[in-house]
This record gives sequence, C-alpha cells and structure tokens, in this order.
Amino acid sequence: GAGVSQSPRYKVAKRGQDVALRCDPISGHVSLFWYQQALGQGPEFLTYFQNEAQLDKSGLPSDRFFAERPEGSVSTLKIQRTQQEDSAVYLCASSPLAGGGNTGELFFGEGSRLTVL
Amino acid sequence: AQSVTQLDSHVSVSEGTPVLLRCNYSSSYSPSLFWYVQHPNKGLQLLLKYTSAATLVKGINGFEAEFKKSETSFHLTKPSAHMSDAAEYFCVVSDNQAGTALIFGKGTTLSVSS
Repeated sequence: GAGVSQSPRYKVAKRGQDVALRCDPISGHVSLFWYQQALGQGPEFLTYFQNEAQLDKSGLPSDRFFAERPEGSVSTLKIQRTQQEDSAVYLCASSPLAGGGNTGELFFGEGSRLTVL
Repeated sequence: AQSVTQLDSHVSVSEGTPVLLRCNYSSSYSPSLFWYVQHPNKGLQLLLKYTSAATLVKGINGFEAEFKKSETSFHLTKPSAHMSDAAEYFCVVSDNQAGTALIFGKGTTLSVSS
C-alpha cells in the first residue's frame, strides 16, 4: 500500500543501548510528525518537520532523543542510551500540507513499539 | 496553551444503542478540533474534523460531533453502535498556528456488547 510505513514494528533494547526508528511517509507529503504514545495514554508530540527542516522539536524529552529528515522524505528517530521510561509506541504521521497544526488530517503509521529492559 | 480533556476513560454500550464520547477543550485561539480512532494494532484514523465552518460535523461510519464554543465542548456521537466501533477514540485540538502540532487527549475506550 501507499500508507505511512514504520520499522521496526517491535524493538526490544537493553537499557543503555541506542535505537533507531525509521519512518517512510506517504510520497510527496510535506509535513512529518513524530509522536510518543505510552501505554494507556494519548500520543504526545515529539517533533515536526516541514520537508527537511525541523521546525519544532519542543516535545523531545531529553537530549538523548534526536530526529532527522535529511532529504525531506524518510525520517529517523534516534534514542541514545535508552532508559526504561523510553518504553512506548513511537508513531510517525505525515500530511501533504505545510503549517503544522493547519495540516488537518494526519496519516499515521502503525507505530514502532519499543521495550527497554 | 491548548489542551483537551476526555471526560470518560471507558464507555460501554450495547449494540444498537447511542454512543456519546465527551470532550472539552481549551485553546487560546480559534481551534481546529478532530476525533481520531485507533483500532488494536492499527494506525490512528481520522473520524472527523471541525475547522470553523459548520458547527455540526459529520464523519465516517455514521459518527458526528458538535462544536459548542459556549461550553468549550466537542462531543462525539453516533445514533446506533456497531460491534466494529469498539476501539480507542481520541479528541484532538490544534490552535491553527503554523508549526503547531495536534494535541491529543488521553483517549476513551469504547466497548460494544451484543
């Protein structure tokens, strides 16, 4: 299909390991978001890209979290020195429109479930 | 700053009866409001959105929501529940400022019994 694709779907890491989560947005989508969804909670905003520019990273919880979208398409969320509290589902969403909150409908991937032991 | 409060963490209904999922919002600006649904092991899907046009918004699968500014509410309703409606529902707000992300509520789990 032509939806948002995330990989890996499931990742188990030992505390202290680095992880990288990949998002392939829908082709041509300008906006890309990363969200973190803890168990039993709603998704929480992490960061926003418009093409290759990271316009908002206010939601990244610490400097261990880093995201990039170097060519304005595929994005990678990297978590360094993982901690147990990083265990969550990481959701990627894209939109054909620019403008952050004005994008209207976001198209979400199925998420990457990270478990840190 | 904008936020949403979903008043019920869990709602249980019988098949064929009405559904009401409650949401109150807080926004410094004229907001856009959305409802998203999340089925198990599936991505979030947009049900409907309000963007300052008609206050009564119709969405997919028979759902609708009414924007009430005086009550700062955006409750989701459906006249008759189906088993397939069982899922997690999220009320979402955006204050329409460029670069601002959507802010999600904590979610309401809808259970539908036969």
